[in-house]
Formats: sequence, structure tokens, C-alpha cells
Amino acid sequence: DAKTTQPNSMESNEEEPVHLPCNHSTISGTDYIHWYRQLPSQGPEYVIHGLTSNVNNRMASLAIAEDRKSSTLILHRATLRDAAVYYCILLYSGGGADGLTFGKGTHLIIQP
Amino acid sequence: NAGVTQTPKFQVLKTGQSMTLQCAQDMNHEYMSWYRQDPGMGLRLIHYSVGAGITDQGEVPNGYNVSRSTTEDFPLRLLSAAPSQTSVYFCASSYSRGVLSTGELFFGEGSRLTVL
Repeated sequence: DAKTTQPNSMESNEEEPVHLPCNHSTISGTDYIHWYRQLPSQGPEYVIHGLTSNVNNRMASLAIAEDRKSSTLILHRATLRDAAVYYCILLYSGGGADGLTFGKGTHLIIQP
Repeated sequence: NAGVTQTPKFQVLKTGQSMTLQCAQDMNHEYMSWYRQDPGMGLRLIHYSVGAGITDQGEVPNGYNVSRSTTEDFPLRLLSAAPSQTSVYFCASSYSRGVLSTGELFFGEGSRLTVL
């Protein structure tokens, strides 16, 4: 299975943009890139996913490198509520995965 | 709008005791799964089910049993609890296994289990 690499932690200020990187140099052409986040004492929640093109939704934007070997989750204006662990996960587009494979993720700290 | 509901939220057991963690979803999802999360770690898949009557093992199934008699419920049983099973357990569901890559996995709030 293709693996992802994320920084252990990042710090940002409230109301500023945050760029969370993820490296996935062994990604296959059929892997989707998913992002989930886990707020303190809660279950993970879906943030966004994409295949090749950049994606936007109400929570965040996903920028995917042209060679797809890396991606960046962008929070346009961080709030204190965005302090969480963010997980970058690859999923084969053909379906049939048993479940999601979580790494340790990036612990995002937001300073007021 | 309940989503995925887990009970209990907290439980303390003694070594050797058995118990069942309950999970229910009201979204008519075919796919359901159980994960455990140890301190400072990501989640690991224990068991999953692609529909009523069908279950399969994940990455760390030893010491746990599951069954899926209805679409809504997916209980996780610890047959003889051990301290190594002290963890936070999450149940998750999705419309189907086939759309995991294009859709969303919905998680419950977790059940914190301590085995003494």
C-alpha cells in the first residue's frame, strides 16, 4: 500500500491560513487522497478528498501536485476550533478497501 | 439526526471480564467497522462488516468478536479482557465498502475502555 508522510505537528495563528502538507511519493494513479481530522476527545471527521484536480468545500481546500506525489490541505482562515490532528489517507479508487489506514497525522495547534 | 451512536462512553473492566461495546447507525449504511486508538497513535481497524450477516477481520482482530444481525447494529465483544485492550474504540459506518474511496466514513464519538 502507498504510504503518506506528514509533519508531526504544526502551529498557526488564529484567523490566518494554514497549509498542511502530505507526501505520498509512491501513490498510484488510482488512489484517492482523503483528509480526515480528529478534534480532541472526538471521533475522526471527514474533511475533503480528491483524485487529480484541486478541490474546495465549505471546510477546506485540497491542492494536489501535478505529479500527485504530494498534496496540501488548506484551511483558509483558521479558528481555535480547527485545532485537531489531521490525517492524510490514500484509498484505492477501485473500492474494496477493508477500511481506512491512519498514520499518526499532524497535530495542528492554533494560537489565539 | 443521530448518525453513529456508541455506548457506553466509558467502561472500566477487570482482567478476564467480558463486555460488549454497542454501535448503532440510523443512516441505513451497509458498511460498518470498529477501530481502536491507543495514546499518540492513529486508528487501527479491528473488524468490519459489508452488510447484515457478513463480517471480516481487520488489522488487529485478536481478542474481539463481532456479529451483524441487523443493518443498524454492529456490536464489538471482548471475550476475556486484557490490559492490552485498554484503548479508545471507535465505530464507523459508510453507505457501502465500494464508496469508501469516493465518499465519507462517519465515526461515533468513541468508547473509552480501561482494563485493570
